[in-house]
Amino acid sequence: EAGVTQFPSHSVIEKGQTVTLRCDPISGHDNLYWYRRVMGKEIKFLLHFVKESKQDESGMPNNRFLAERTGGTYSTLKVQPAELEDSGVYFCASSPRGLGNSPLHFGNGTRLTVT
Amino acid sequence: ELKVEQNPLFLSMQEGKNYTIYCNYSTTSDRLYWYRQDPGKSLESLFVLLSNGAVKQEGRLMASLDTKARLSTLHITAAVHDLSATYFCAVVPGSEKLVFGKGTKLTVNP
Repeated sequence: EAGVTQFPSHSVIEKGQTVTLRCDPISGHDNLYWYRRVMGKEIKFLLHFVKESKQDESGMPNNRFLAERTGGTYSTLKVQPAELEDSGVYFCASSPRGLGNSPLHFGNGTRLTVT
Repeated sequence: ELKVEQNPLFLSMQEGKNYTIYCNYSTTSDRLYWYRQDPGKSLESLFVLLSNGAVKQEGRLMASLDTKARLSTLHITAAVHDLSATYFCAVVPGSEKLVFGKGTKLTVNP
């Protein structure tokens, strides 16, 4: 089966611009998560979808970040306008039934650099 | 705030040697995950530890969990170069989110 796919793999934008990251979960996985790792820090939770519904968005840093999952398939994470501190690696993960007793399946991440 | 501390953060070891990575966490968690990441790649699940005293082994890696001490260990036996990667532990503080440690970057030298 295909794994979690993220696009683009790298993005370099200027401060103030907009960037949209995309995640395609494993087919049939209702649960989709976004995480972020800022340089030198821990990987941190951003939000969790079940199908198209946001279950928990407590990790979203501020209202410059908008995540969507229309139709409950792929998800997008938009940063508008981007700031320098948004630089980092954004990971998407999916699972069929949430965390439970199973691990999450992660994508390769999108490395975002804001200059 | 829940804290997950891994140590060491950087580990350079010789092939054939043994070593242990430690993961301490500051609040209760009934599950603990270990992941491996190669540069530019995804996080690959290694172990899911579900109960106190759980021990799991895969090849040269063995993970254990002591929920009373809030401690997990990842033991490496007779390291080989292919084990070079960054290893993360993560706990679940009662919600649908993983809380990660900073990761341990392991380099195995020939």
